[in-house]
Order: sequence, then structure tokens, then C-alpha cells
Amino acid sequence: DADVTQTPRNRITKTGKRIMLECSQTKGHDRMYWYRQDPGLGLRLIYYSFDVKDINKGEISDGYSVSRQAQAKFSLSLESAIPNQTALYFCATSDSARDVGELFFGEGSRLTVL
Amino acid sequence: AQSVTQLGSHVSVSEGALVLLRCNYSSSVPPYLFWYVQYPNQGLQLLLKYTTGATLVKGINGFEAEFKKSETSFHLTKPSAHMSDAAEYFCAVVYGGSQGNLIFGKGTKLSVKP
Repeated sequence: DADVTQTPRNRITKTGKRIMLECSQTKGHDRMYWYRQDPGLGLRLIYYSFDVKDINKGEISDGYSVSRQAQAKFSLSLESAIPNQTALYFCATSDSARDVGELFFGEGSRLTVL
Repeated sequence: AQSVTQLGSHVSVSEGALVLLRCNYSSSVPPYLFWYVQYPNQGLQLLLKYTTGATLVKGINGFEAEFKKSETSFHLTKPSAHMSDAAEYFCAVVYGGSQGNLIFGKGTKLSVKP
């Protein structure tokens, strides 16, 4: 089983719908992240959480919200999806006791907004 | 603004040829530097990293990178390309120590011709 699991792996939805992407991890890491990948743009940070009570906005948080339900779970919500949120979304984890920047990624959630 | 630049969005080499993927960062303060690899339909995984110490770092699958402060560069090399090296490679930097977050380059897609 994967250490960082994302659900759903693929989702097609319509403009205006609410969407939640979920991430769970079995690595025991305290830090969790949501990134968005677009072709030619690399990965951009949406939100990150250093522990359950610590949530921070990243580079492109507008239109997104997150919830850290437990140390192992970090979900990303799009309250009202729009077509330019079509992208590949990655959840990642890291251990604050290890070198900063050493992230472990899930396999991604591909979201298409029509 | 802090940034990382990867020269060349696509690089094509023949099997057995040298692989050179270029990365430059912008900062007067040496950052932590990383290379991540993304195989098709997978998440990213860490290839190698530089934090402190020896400037030539070795990673998985025969890749290595050298931190050159005078050139603000961290280029990735492999002496002999293999078909299995075909993937997208991302350079990333962390500024701000343990509270910093990864900033990714836009990626370089490596193709390996037989």
C-alpha cells in the first residue's frame, strides 16, 4: 500500500460544483502539503500544515480551502469549481525531524472542471 | 523574488549519452537544493539533495549534481542515459531554513532515444 494515498485519483466535474480531494498518510509525518501541477508551470503550493492546529496559505490559495482532520489526514476543497482549476493535484508529507524540503508525494488526483 | 530556473523544458538524448539538466537559483544566501523525478502517471520522488557539506552529491539511479555557489547553479548529470531515465525532472529550492517551503522549477522532460 502507498504511504501517501490520494482519493479520488480522477474526477470530472462541472463549473460551480463543490469538490473535495482527500489525502491520508501512514508515514507518521507531521507536515502535509497540497500542490497543483500544470504543464509547463511546475508545481505550485496551495496550502500547507505543519501540524493539526497549524494551517498556512501557499502561493495560490485563492479558491481553495483545506482541513487537517488528524495528523494523518489533510483534505483540499474547491467550494465552487471553475475550469482554470483543472489540474493535477498532489498531496505531500514531510517529517520536521528530517531535512527540510524532503517531501513524499502521493500519486496525484487529476481534476477536470467542465 | 526567490526563484529557480530550469533551462530547457525538453531535453532529448540517445541511450548511453551524457545527461545534463540545468538548474539555476536566485539568492545571495545559499539555499537547500533538490532534484525530484516524476515518472509517467506517478508522483514526484526525491532524486538527490544538497544541504551543507560536500558540493558534489550523488543520488539514486546514477545521477549526481554539483552545487556551484559562484554560478548559483545545481545542474543534474548522469554519465550514460538509460531508457528508464525518461521522465520529468524538477529542480527545487528551499529558502528560509526549517520554516521554508520548496519552490519548484517548471520542469525538464527528458526523452531517451534508443
